Amino acid sequence: GAGVSQSPSNKVTEKGKDVELRCDPISGHTALYWYRQSLGQGLEFLIYFQGNSAPDKSGLPSDRFSAERTGGSVSTLTIQRTQQEDSAVYLCASSSEAGGYEQYFGPGTRLTVT
Amino acid sequence: GQQVMQIPQYQHVQEGEDFTTYCNSSTTLSNIQWYKQRPGGHPVFLIQLVKSGEVKKQKRLTFQFGEAKKNSSLHITATQTTDVGTYFCAGHRGSTLGRLYFGRGTQLTVWP
Repeated sequence: GAGVSQSPSNKVTEKGKDVELRCDPISGHTALYWYRQSLGQGLEFLIYFQGNSAPDKSGLPSDRFSAERTGGSVSTLTIQRTQQEDSAVYLCASSSEAGGYEQYFGPGTRLTVT
Repeated sequence: GQQVMQIPQYQHVQEGEDFTTYCNSSTTLSNIQWYKQRPGGHPVFLIQLVKSGEVKKQKRLTFQFGEAKKNSSLHITATQTTDVGTYFCAGHRGSTLGRLYFGRGTQLTVWP
């Protein structure tokens, strides 16, 4: 079946502009995660959605970052007034109890802020 | 602070040598998962351990979960160039559908 998809795969934006990154999780997965990975670095947790519960936003680095998940499926990560330090690969992952809790990652969106 | 520590950060080995990466948590974990990320790719799930003292094997890879469920290790016997990548451990604290805490990863380079 289809895996996690993300769009766009690459995004180049000017400093100060807003960007929206999209994640389509695996159908039926109740949990959805956003991570950020800078070049050669580990996975930085950003936000986590689980079903209809309030999201865990504890990893969002600033109030310029926000995310929503509509209808328990598609999620959008929005970065307002982008800064150069926002340049990174943004990874989305989904998981489910039925799937054994393992996280399935999407291919990521490479964001470059010029 | 860092919830899950992973060492070493980098490891360079000659093909055929063994490799081990270690993962330590400041708190008890309900499970431990291991992921592999090839250069230019995204993390891919390898295995999950849930029981205290559990050991699992996948061909040349051996995974262990400590008795106290606070540490874990991944051992690769006789590394091959195909083993190149970054290996991440990750664990849940409490609910297994809560946030997954990742270690910073060990980047493995294998010289032919």
